[in-house]
Amino acid sequence: AQSVTQPDIHITVSEGASLELRCNYSYGATPYLFWYVQSPGQGLQLLLKYFSGDTLVQGIKGFEAEFKRSQSSFNLRKPSVHWSDAAEYFCAVGDDRGSTLGRLYFGRGTQLTVWP
Amino acid sequence: DVKVTQSSRYLVKRTGEKVFLECVQDMDHENMFWYRQDPGLGLRLIYFSYDVKMKEKGDIPEGYSVSREKKERFSLILESASTNQTSMYLCASTYSGTSGRLGYEQYFGPGTRLTVT
Repeated sequence: AQSVTQPDIHITVSEGASLELRCNYSYGATPYLFWYVQSPGQGLQLLLKYFSGDTLVQGIKGFEAEFKRSQSSFNLRKPSVHWSDAAEYFCAVGDDRGSTLGRLYFGRGTQLTVWP
Repeated sequence: DVKVTQSSRYLVKRTGEKVFLECVQDMDHENMFWYRQDPGLGLRLIYFSYDVKMKEKGDIPEGYSVSREKKERFSLILESASTNQTSMYLCASTYSGTSGRLGYEQYFGPGTRLTVT
C-alpha cells in the first residue's frame, strides 16, 4: 500500500538558514509526488509537484525538491528561510490506479518554526 | 484560479446533532474529497467521490456519510455528532484522468473547524 513518512515532526531553524524537510514514500510504480504548505488556520497550498522528467523541481516561494528513486525520497529544500515560511508542511504521493485514481496519501506533516 | 469554498470556517454543535458540511468547487473537477485533520495525525481521508452520485470510502468513514447530487458540490454529513468528531475538516477537488485532463494535484478549501460539545 502507498504510504508517506515524514520523519521530523518539528524543525526549528533561524531566519536566513537553509532548510531541508525529509519525505520518504512507498509506492510500487512511478510516483506522483507533492509538497503542500499550510499556514495556521488555513487550507493547504501546493508548493510543488513531481510527475516525471527532471528530478529537481522548482516550486513557489523559492522552494525546490529532489526526487531520488533509489532512496524513495522527495526532500524539500530552501536555501534561505524567511520568517513567513513558518507553517506546517505535508508531503503526499498520488495514486494513479483504477478506482482510486487521483487519491493522495499524505505524511503526518512537519511543523517548521523560524527564529528571528 | 481554482476556488474551493466551504460553508463555514467555524462550527459548534452539540452531541447527537446532525451536522452538514458543504463544499463547492468552481473548476468542473470530477473528483472531490473530504479529509479530517488532527494534530500529529496529518490528513486522513474520510470519503471521496469521482462523479455525481458516486462515492467511495476512505480510511475513516465510520460515523460519516456523504452526498454528491451536483458535480460542483460535495457534502459531508455527521448523522449524530460525537465529541470525538471535533476536528478540522478539509475539502479538496481535482480533475480525474477519465476526463483526459490529468491533474492529480488537489485544490483545498480553507477548512471548517468543528467543535462538538
